Parts: sequence; structure tokens; C-alpha cells
Amino acid sequence: SSELTQDPAVSVALGQTVRITCQGDSLRSYYASWYQQKPGQAPVLVIYGKNNRPSGIPDRFSGSSSGNTASLTITGAQAEDEADYYCNSRDSSGNRVVFGGGTKLTVL
Amino acid sequence: QVQLVQSGAEVKKPGSSVKVSCKASGGTFSSYAISWVRQAPGQGLEWMGGIIPIFGTANYAQKFQGRVTITADESTSTAYMELSSLRSEDTAVYYCATLDLGYWGQGTLVTVSS
Repeated sequence: SSELTQDPAVSVALGQTVRITCQGDSLRSYYASWYQQKPGQAPVLVIYGKNNRPSGIPDRFSGSSSGNTASLTITGAQAEDEADYYCNSRDSSGNRVVFGGGTKLTVL
Repeated sequence: QVQLVQSGAEVKKPGSSVKVSCKASGGTFSSYAISWVRQAPGQGLEWMGGIIPIFGTANYAQKFQGRVTITADESTSTAYMELSSLRSEDTAVYYCATLDLGYWGQGTLVTVSS
């Protein structure tokens, strides 16, 4: 079982804002990273650290954290944002990496 | 820009082992952490373990401890993941990745079937 918990599925209307969350005790000590994965493709890093976007990631993607919960927010969701989203971080020991179970985002 | 290129698909018998390679180019191979992540069909991402080549010691997820070995050859900028005692549940796409930098290999499909 994953030490990071995500909702299995979330939906959002085109152009609206959606928040995808990730919960875990280790998030009190470590930042989460967020990955987007589309069918048949390798994951793509969209947010890392406090709230950093790799080059090429649109600024509609942002990250935040509070207590044991990290959040990925998409402001003005686009059809191409429909994908699976995974959070990852260190585990409570800090020696290993864990992934959340993933959230399937549907853009309506 | 780091590029990770993995070895090709494998078909293995139950009980055997598989060794997947991940050759890096660009960046400084020795200093960044290489993780191995797998994804079974229709399932999520699962971290198996990782290594920082300059240190040489790997860390493994508890689930795979004793069954997976991750190594790195600095002379060829190549990381390896060997999984033993294969069973059908190990059928998955195996990725190498620099999670901190966000670079992923293309994935290697390992099929375990009698």
C-alpha cells in the first residue's frame, strides 16, 4: 500500500480550475513532486519543490502544500490536461521514494 | 539535457531473472540519482529502488528487497536493474528515471509468461 494517498478520479469542466490532492505523513517534512502521464507515454514532471515548473510546463499548473497534504492545481484546465497524475515524495524515513496511487483527471 | 535510453523488451519464464539497462547521456551521470520505477498494466507507478552512481550504494523499496539489484557503471554511464525470481505479477513496463531532474527513459516492457 502507498504511503501517499490520492483520490482515484477527478473531473473538471473545460476552462475551470481543479485541485488534485496527495496526503501522507512524510509530506510534513518533504515536498511532493507531480507527474502527468498520458496513455502509452512515460510520465512527465510538471511540478517539483515548493512550486517549481520545469521548462515547457504551462503556468496553469501550480503546486502548494499544507500540513500533510500537497496539492496540484490546474487553473483553466484544457482538453490536453486529461491524464493520470501522480504525486511522489520521500517516505517517512527519508531513505526511500514513494508514489501516490494516481488520480485520473477527466476534462469535460 | 539528460537522455536515458533503455534496453529492449524482454520475455521471461517464471522463476528466471531479467536485467534491464539504462544508458545516460548529457549531464553528470555520477552525481544524479537514478531510480527504477515500474508500472503494471493498468496500474500506477511503483518505485523499486535507486542509486547515486558516485556513492555506489542502492536503496530498495521494502517490497523488492532481496529480489532486486540496482547497479551503475560510471565508465559507460549505464545503470542496471536486475529482478530475480520472476512471477507473472512482475509483468510491467520498467522505467529508469532521474526523479529530481524529471528525466525518464522510454520504458522497457518485461513480460513474464510460461
